[in-house]
This record gives sequence, structure tokens and C-alpha cells, in this order.
Amino acid sequence: DAKTTQPTSMDCAEGRAANLPCNHSTISGNEYVYWYRQIHSQGPQYIIHGLKNNETNEMASLIITEDRKSSTLILPHATLRDTAVYYCIVRVGPAFSGGGADGLTFGKGTHLIIQP
Amino acid sequence: DAGVTQSPTHLIKTRGQQVTLRCSPKSGHDTVSWYQQALGQGPQFIFQYYEEEERQRGNFPDRFSGHQFPNYSSELNVNALLLGDSALYLCASRPRVANEKLFFGSGTQLSVL
Repeated sequence: DAKTTQPTSMDCAEGRAANLPCNHSTISGNEYVYWYRQIHSQGPQYIIHGLKNNETNEMASLIITEDRKSSTLILPHATLRDTAVYYCIVRVGPAFSGGGADGLTFGKGTHLIIQP
Repeated sequence: DAGVTQSPTHLIKTRGQQVTLRCSPKSGHDTVSWYQQALGQGPQFIFQYYEEEERQRGNFPDRFSGHQFPNYSSELNVNALLLGDSALYLCASRPRVANEKLFFGSGTQLSVL
């Protein structure tokens, strides 16, 4: 799986959009970008994933650059409950591997702190 | 609908002992994987089970073993505990056919003294 690089920590004001960057310059054509977050004392929670098109769901938006070497997770209106560690993970998608997206490689992630 | 449940929530063991951790997957899920999360680090993949067999394995020694039961629940066993095995152990599940995202439990915090 390709390596990802994320800032160690970020601050964002409550109510503003939180933009979390991730670099994955060695990503391969069959690798997806996955985002998970982990709130203190809980297990990781899936947020969103994408291959090359921008994606949006009820939690967030994922913007992937045209060359696919970086991406940004956007939380449109951050709340205090969004304070967590956010993990960007690159992995071969199930459609290509024939298996599931189970053996995820988590880095240290970005500690996002939402300020009141 | 209960999510992924793990037991116990906390456990204290002594170096050299053996431990068994348990996981019940989310309803409708038949694939289970286990992760180890040391303090300040991201989770590390241990192994995955479905159809009662280990299907994928991360870079963990044979002291780490597992089992999946016919009802899809799973156990993680660690033998000859080391101080370095102290960590949060997370279980994740998903259905075989919808394989894009994992659902995690809140974990078992293991302390080895």
C-alpha cells in the first residue's frame, strides 16, 4: 500500500469548514483513498473513500487532485464532536484485490482540534 | 441494532501469561479482523477471519492466534505475553458482499505488567 503523509495536528474554529490534507504521491492506479477518524476512547469510524472522482456523503467531502497524488477531507461545518484523530489510508480497492478493505495500514493521522 | 461488541473492556495480565479477547460482529456481518493499537500510534492489522478461517495476516508473531465461530464471533489469543503487548485491541467487522468499509468496536485495553 502506498505511504501517506498528514500533518500531525490542526486547529479549526467551530462552525467553520475543516480541511484536512493528505499526500500520497506514490499511489497506484488501483489504490483508493480511505478516511477514518478515531474519537478518544472509541474505535475508528469510517468517513468516506474514493478512487479519482470527488465524493460527498452525509459526513464529509473528499477532494482528490487530478494526478491523484494528494487529497483533502472537508468537514463542512465542524462541531466540537468532530475533535478526533483523522487517518488517511491508501489501499488497493476490493474491486481490484478480490478481497475486502480489511488489512488497513494506519499511520499516526492528524489530530484535529475544534475550538469553541 | 448493536454494533461491534468486545469483551472485556479492560484487562490486566502478567508477563508470560496467556489472554483471550472476544468480539461479536455487527448484525449481518460475517467477516472479522483484529487490530493492535499501541499508545500514540495508529492501529496495526493483525489478521482477518471469514468462514472460520484466517484469510489475511499482518506482521505479527505466531503468539497471536485467533478463531472464528459458526455464529461469526471471534476470539484473539495471545500467548507468552510481553510487556510490549500492552495496547488497545480493536475488532472490526463487515459483510462479505459490502466490503468497502469496516465497523470497529471500542476495543479491549490490555495491560501487561
